[in-house]
Amino acid sequence: DAGITQSPRHKVTETGTPVTLRCHQTENHRYMYWYRQDPGHGLRLIHYSYGVKDTDKGEVSDGYSVSRSKTEDFLLTLESATSSQTSVYFCAISAIRTRNTGELFFGEGSRLTVL
Amino acid sequence: DQQVKQNSPSLSVQEGRISILNCDYTNSMFDYFLWYKKYPAEGPTFLISISSIKDKNEDGRFTVFLNKSAKHLSLHIVPSQPGDSAVYFCAASVRASGSRLTFGEGTQLTVNP
Repeated sequence: DAGITQSPRHKVTETGTPVTLRCHQTENHRYMYWYRQDPGHGLRLIHYSYGVKDTDKGEVSDGYSVSRSKTEDFLLTLESATSSQTSVYFCAISAIRTRNTGELFFGEGSRLTVL
Repeated sequence: DQQVKQNSPSLSVQEGRISILNCDYTNSMFDYFLWYKKYPAEGPTFLISISSIKDKNEDGRFTVFLNKSAKHLSLHIVPSQPGDSAVYFCAASVRASGSRLTFGEGTQLTVNP
């Protein structure tokens, strides 16, 4: 199994509060991704990173920001959480050799509830 | 605009029979297709993939078929086992864009003993 750890695994917060989810990998992979999973939508890409300090937006990036100051850590921040951001968030990584085929390794997910 | 669609939210089959999960896509630029399996409270795990230059790829009990003219792919599981019960996601990518996968909504497969 790829070494990916997400924290926290569960969080309940209130509307308007900031939230940061952390993804930590021990595989030294260059590429990291944040997806959210919602019923009826599958998994949707929020942001991704192709190296330290190199990030780009995915299809549902509004309301989210990311940072990657070290290869092993990719942080997802909700500056002011809203109820529409209640979801399960998955971090994923890919190696250079699988980057062009799309094979990703996923973490176990972080369940966020915004009241 | 849902570029990858799985029209069946759920599928129930008997153990030992064939499971067929379907997926349709609209973006003709997609050139690599994958299936992921997801158990509750776990992350998705890669199952099988196929390049657009092929029409079939087989791995043990799992076979993926690609019909480019119809923009349709399917996953066959033979024989189905109770441990196959999970949510299956179809995904597609444009290789030039790297591992930016577009996922379908998922199909919950239940294999009954």
